[in-house]
Amino acid sequence: GAGVSQSPSNKVTEKGKDVELRCDPISGHTALYWYRQSLGQGLEFLIYFQGNSAPDKSGLPSDRFSAERTGGSVSTLTIQRTQQEDSAVYLCASSLEPPDTQYFGPGTRLLVL
Amino acid sequence: AQSVTQPDIHITVSEGASLELRCNYSYGATPYLFWYVQSPGQGLQLLLKYFSGDTLVQGIKGFEAEFKRSQSSFNLRKPSVHWSDAAEYFCAVGALGYALNFGKGTSLLVTP
Repeated sequence: GAGVSQSPSNKVTEKGKDVELRCDPISGHTALYWYRQSLGQGLEFLIYFQGNSAPDKSGLPSDRFSAERTGGSVSTLTIQRTQQEDSAVYLCASSLEPPDTQYFGPGTRLLVL
Repeated sequence: AQSVTQPDIHITVSEGASLELRCNYSYGATPYLFWYVQSPGQGLQLLLKYFSGDTLVQGIKGFEAEFKRSQSSFNLRKPSVHWSDAAEYFCAVGALGYALNFGKGTSLLVTP
């Protein structure tokens, strides 16, 4: 079956612009996660959605970052007023009820100039 | 707080040789443990996981890992490495909750 998909695969933007990154989880997966992978920082948890519960935003690095999940499926990660330090690969994962295995998408590579 | 340590940043092995990648974790209770592999330009693929039960876990591609509670370790092993195993390997710890806490990764180079 289809895995987790993310779009765009690559995004180049100018400092100060807003960007939106999209994640389509595996059908039927109730949990959705966003991570960031950057040189020197490794893989960092950003935010977690589970069903209709309030998301866990404890990993978001600043208030410029936000995410939503519509209809319990697709999620969008928004970064406002992008900074060069936001350059990274943003990975989305989904799973059945935690702590079940998380399946990762291919990521969106973001470059902020 | 949870933490995951992968002491080896880079490892080089000859094709056909055995492999062991180290992972140590710090966590108050029995964690959920995972090994993922990431090939260049690819997403993370699950190799194996440990939740409970038998401490020796078999995974895909001929990999196995052993959970040793006394050593807080979950080392990944493979008896004979293939050139296609060259990749970045990540150990991760999950709590009864959700977010995975990843190690910094070990980059594996396989020489002919």
